Amino acid sequence: EPEVTQTPSHQVTQMGQEVILRCVPISNHLYFYWYRQILGQKVEFLVSFYNNEISEKSEIFDDQFSVERPDGSNFTLKIRSTKLEDSAMYFCASTTSGQGRKEQYFGPGTRLTVT
Amino acid sequence: AQSVSQHNHHVILSEAASLELGCNYSYGGTVNLFWYVQYPGQHLQLLLKYFSGDPLVKGIKGFEAEFIKSKFSFNLRKPSVQWSDTAEYFCAVNANSGAGSYQLTFGKGTKLSVIP
Repeated sequence: EPEVTQTPSHQVTQMGQEVILRCVPISNHLYFYWYRQILGQKVEFLVSFYNNEISEKSEIFDDQFSVERPDGSNFTLKIRSTKLEDSAMYFCASTTSGQGRKEQYFGPGTRLTVT
Repeated sequence: AQSVSQHNHHVILSEAASLELGCNYSYGGTVNLFWYVQYPGQHLQLLLKYFSGDPLVKGIKGFEAEFIKSKFSFNLRKPSVQWSDTAEYFCAVNANSGAGSYQLTFGKGTKLSVIP
C-alpha cells in the first residue's frame, strides 16, 4: 500500500539554524499539507499546497516558514531561523483530488529538536 | 472557523471495560469527521471516518463512532478494550476551506490507558 514518507525521522538543530524537512507524498496525490504537534499538545495545521502554490496557511506559518515542491516528488518545509518553540513533531499529509481530498494520509513525522 | 472539543484528557480503564470518548465540534456547515489513534512513539493512524450516510460508522480494531448532528457530536466507542488499545485518540474535522483544501482541525486528544 502506498505510504507518505518523511525524512529525517529526528532532526536536532541549534537555535537560529535553517532546517529543511522532507516529505514524499503518495505519487498520484495532488494536495499536500504540513502539521505540527508540540509535545503534549494537539496537532495543528500549518499549510496546504496545491498546484505549486500555497492554498491555505495558519497564523503559525509566518515568514520563517516556507514550502516547496522542488522536483515533482518531494514536498519540503523549510524553517529559516529556528527557535526553541519550533521544537515539535512535524507531520506531512497528502490527498488525491475531488472527493478524495477529504481524507488525508499522514507520514510518520519528523521530530525536530531545537537546542 | 472550526473547533473540536474532546472532554476527557486521560481515561483509565481495565481490560474488557467499555469505552466511550466524547467529541464535539463547532462549525456551521457540512463537515467530515475523523478519529485518529497515535500509539506511543508512532504516527497518526486513521481509525474511522464519516462523510455522509449512516451516522454509525465502524472502523478498524473494533471501534465505532456515531455522528449525532443535533448534538454536533462524534463519540468514539468500543465495547471491550484491550491493553493494546493504550494510545492517544484524536478527533478531527474538516470541510472545504473554499480554496479547495480540506485541512484538519484536531481536538486536544484523549490519552487512554488500559490496565491489564
